[in-house]
Amino acid sequence: DAGVTQSPTHLIKTRGQQVTLRCSPKSGHDTVSWYQQALGQGPQFIFQYYEEEERQRGNFPDRFSGHQFPNYSSELNVNALLLGDSALYLCASSLLAAAYEQYFGPGTRLTVT
Amino acid sequence: RKEVEQDPGPFNVPEGATVAFNCTYSNSASQSFFWYRQDCRKEPKLLMSVYSSGNEDGRFTAQLNRASQYISLLIRDSKLSDSATYLCVVNYRSGGSNYKLTFGKGTLLTVNP
Repeated sequence: DAGVTQSPTHLIKTRGQQVTLRCSPKSGHDTVSWYQQALGQGPQFIFQYYEEEERQRGNFPDRFSGHQFPNYSSELNVNALLLGDSALYLCASSLLAAAYEQYFGPGTRLTVT
Repeated sequence: RKEVEQDPGPFNVPEGATVAFNCTYSNSASQSFFWYRQDCRKEPKLLMSVYSSGNEDGRFTAQLNRASQYISLLIRDSKLSDSATYLCVVNYRSGGSNYKLTFGKGTLLTVNP
């Protein structure tokens, strides 16, 4: 049973650029949530997708956007990158009916220079 | 006031010691509570759920006091392999089937030989 997978593992970008991160949920899961974890902090909720729509959103600017595909996989897009966007980006999958029980992927470490 | 606050740490303890982590949450409408463990540069993994009646899993005991909005985790007979960051997590049901996990900042534990 494949767990949550994310790609790429690491990424280095320059300020002002755009980035796309990808996530494949655990088999059987229909809901994907994205989190940002800065160094020394706990994960911060960005948004959640179900049935290809954004269901909930945390306190993140519109530069952060996402998408969910019919196969439940998801992308996180960040435009106009800032130095402060450097963080570990975590994807978590769950069933909508039990979205409190989330399984995390290994994350994508984004460095903005 | 932060939604979820934890002991700042770090904790350095010898093998065999008992260590306690404390956590408070601000939203009295919170519904479920968890402790996650995160190893260095890895994703968070669910350690245990926390119930009002208290629950135990081997050397780990979790307690919840809803009246005080307080959660604790006790590790007895600590092992070197317990070294990790422990994250207190609170689940809010914001309406319908919308669940949102809110993480504390985490407390770093190092168990020394």
